[in-house]
Amino acid sequence: NAGVTQTPKFQVLKTGQSMTLQCAQDMNHNSMYWYRQDPGMGLRLIYYSASEGTTDKGEVPNGYNVSRLNKREFSLRLESAAPSQTSVYFCASTTTSGIKTQYFGPGTRLLVL
Amino acid sequence: RKEVEQDPGPFNVPEGATVAFNCTYSNSASQSFFWYRQDCRKEPKLLMSVYSSGNEDGRFTAQLNRASQYISLLIRDSKLSDSATYLCVVIGAAGNKLTFGGGTRVLVKP
Repeated sequence: NAGVTQTPKFQVLKTGQSMTLQCAQDMNHNSMYWYRQDPGMGLRLIYYSASEGTTDKGEVPNGYNVSRLNKREFSLRLESAAPSQTSVYFCASTTTSGIKTQYFGPGTRLLVL
Repeated sequence: RKEVEQDPGPFNVPEGATVAFNCTYSNSASQSFFWYRQDCRKEPKLLMSVYSSGNEDGRFTAQLNRASQYISLLIRDSKLSDSATYLCVVIGAAGNKLTFGGGTRVLVKP
């Protein structure tokens, strides 16, 4: 199993450009999440999807959109990137029974100039 | 007040020493508690769950104090490889969202 995979690993954008961050998991998890991590701020939830076909806003959803394409894939889109969106983005998925362990992808480092 | 708060550190720890740090949470209805470990420029990974009665995993001991709304992590016989940021995670009453603390950085030195 690959676990949670994310693409790309690094990206540099100019202000106003758009891009989509891709995430996929092969663990048959129902719930998937997008976080951003900034120095001193910890992990902040952008959006999450409790199951295929549903998405909900997290703590910091402004400037982002998401798509739960199927059970495996959950993408994050920046329509018009801003320097404030420079961050490390992590995708995660969660087991649905027992201890709710969250498995993270390796992250995408995004720089918006 | 943040939902989950941690002392950012760093805690500078001599190799072989014991270090302990806490995490406070604001929602008394919180259901589940975890410690995650994050190495520099890597993704967080589950270290251990925290049970009401306290639990150990090798050199690591986690405690939950519901009355005072905090959890703790103690590391005994610290190793250089324990240097990392330790993230406290709380699951709320709804059970589907995890809230992360800002992390406590631990540096173990020879």
